[in-house]
Amino acid sequence: SQTIHQWPATLVQPVGSPLSLECTVEGTSNPNLYWYRQAAGRGLQLLFYSVGIGQISSEVPQNLSASRPQDRQFILSSKKLLLSDSGFYLCAWSTRNSPLHFGNGTRLTVT
Amino acid sequence: AQKITQTQPGMFVQEKEAVTLDCTYDTSDQSYGLFWYKQPSSGEMIFLIYQGSYDEQNATEGRYSLNFQKARKSANLVISASQLGDSAMYFCAMSLNYGGATNKLIFGTGTLLAVQP
Repeated sequence: SQTIHQWPATLVQPVGSPLSLECTVEGTSNPNLYWYRQAAGRGLQLLFYSVGIGQISSEVPQNLSASRPQDRQFILSSKKLLLSDSGFYLCAWSTRNSPLHFGNGTRLTVT
Repeated sequence: AQKITQTQPGMFVQEKEAVTLDCTYDTSDQSYGLFWYKQPSSGEMIFLIYQGSYDEQNATEGRYSLNFQKARKSANLVISASQLGDSAMYFCAMSLNYGGATNKLIFGTGTLLAVQP
């Protein structure tokens, strides 16, 4: 069966520090991969999605970037965090005709 | 523009009763998918149920059913026989061109359901 791993679960980082969140999927090949952000008390906003290795689409302009170095690995990064980057970050995967399946999320607090 | 609207920020329901969570959507596309997710306080997003725009029958999945009214552009979630474990945030979402290259979802703002004993 397919599983998705996302880490770390929580992270506290100072303003201006770098960020790297990692997500890996097991049990499926060539999945679509997604990064969503959820601000406190709000819905989910799509940040990036990828349909293959090295293929990244950005949905909103921001301070973040994403990379997909391997088929089942998706990384969310920032060179310098802003206070507004705080939030709950969720990685997800899907294949054609499947719903999105989410990881457990990373709660990021920028101080 | 595509949009999902959930007008109920919070709902209360007595244990063992049924509850309906409202969702309306806006799209000019003919092919789309509608989804409901549950988010407990722990944060993970749990897929509950899916309805395709061309599906003629309402989707059902155990105690969950989706009341799909295409003309009204509504996709309400009905939970029957509510349980204490149903207390969570519920999100309605829409995917355009479902089954295509990607299944990008746009989400509503959610409804917080509290089940009372």
